[in-house]
Amino acid sequence: KQEVTQIPAALSVPEGENLVLNCSFTDSAIYNLQWFRQDPGKGLTSLLLIQSSQREQTSGRLNASLDKSSGRSTLYIAASQPGDSATYLCAVKGGGATNKLIFGTGTLLAVQP
Amino acid sequence: NAGVTQTPKFQVLKTGQSMTLQCAQDMNHNSMYWYRQDPGMGLRLIYYSASEGTTDKGEVPNGYNVSRLNKREFSLRLESAAPSQTSVYFCASSGNWGPRDSPYFGAGTRLSVL
Repeated sequence: KQEVTQIPAALSVPEGENLVLNCSFTDSAIYNLQWFRQDPGKGLTSLLLIQSSQREQTSGRLNASLDKSSGRSTLYIAASQPGDSATYLCAVKGGGATNKLIFGTGTLLAVQP
Repeated sequence: NAGVTQTPKFQVLKTGQSMTLQCAQDMNHNSMYWYRQDPGMGLRLIYYSASEGTTDKGEVPNGYNVSRLNKREFSLRLESAAPSQTSVYFCASSGNWGPRDSPYFGAGTRLSVL
């Protein structure tokens, strides 16, 4: 059974700092891995999607990497801003007939001005 | 730009009451999903519909039923609500069932069962 873990559960950093969020998964047979952002009281917004054949994806100040063999992904946020404060979730999409998204529990990020 | 619309946004039920959570998407997506989000648990899939006319169980289907009314609408029904069903419920949709498709989420329904 696929399990997704995110460390740390919460993180507080000063504005301008570069930071890394971690995601690990137990079954390397995945179609893709996605990073989502969730603002308080809101739904999820997709940030980056890395397909199983890719090593990384970039969007603006965000860079996500994927190492399937070790079951790890990282989300790198450069020059953090208070507007980056949110919960960040990773999710893996498995293969086979189910092809469902399995989510981690998220990292709550607070960027202090 | 409505995207995925969920109603209601908030609901309080008494144990044993029934209700239906509504979800509609206007992106002509084939696949739709219902998730619940609990503190410390992440999002867990309740039911999904890969295409109109089909529904399948996810990780935590007990106590729920779903109806894919048409391509746009996917409802979630609690027949006899229990306190364990207190949660935030999210509906999502995606274009296809393929590896490149990322789901779009609604804003959620916050349900309390007393």
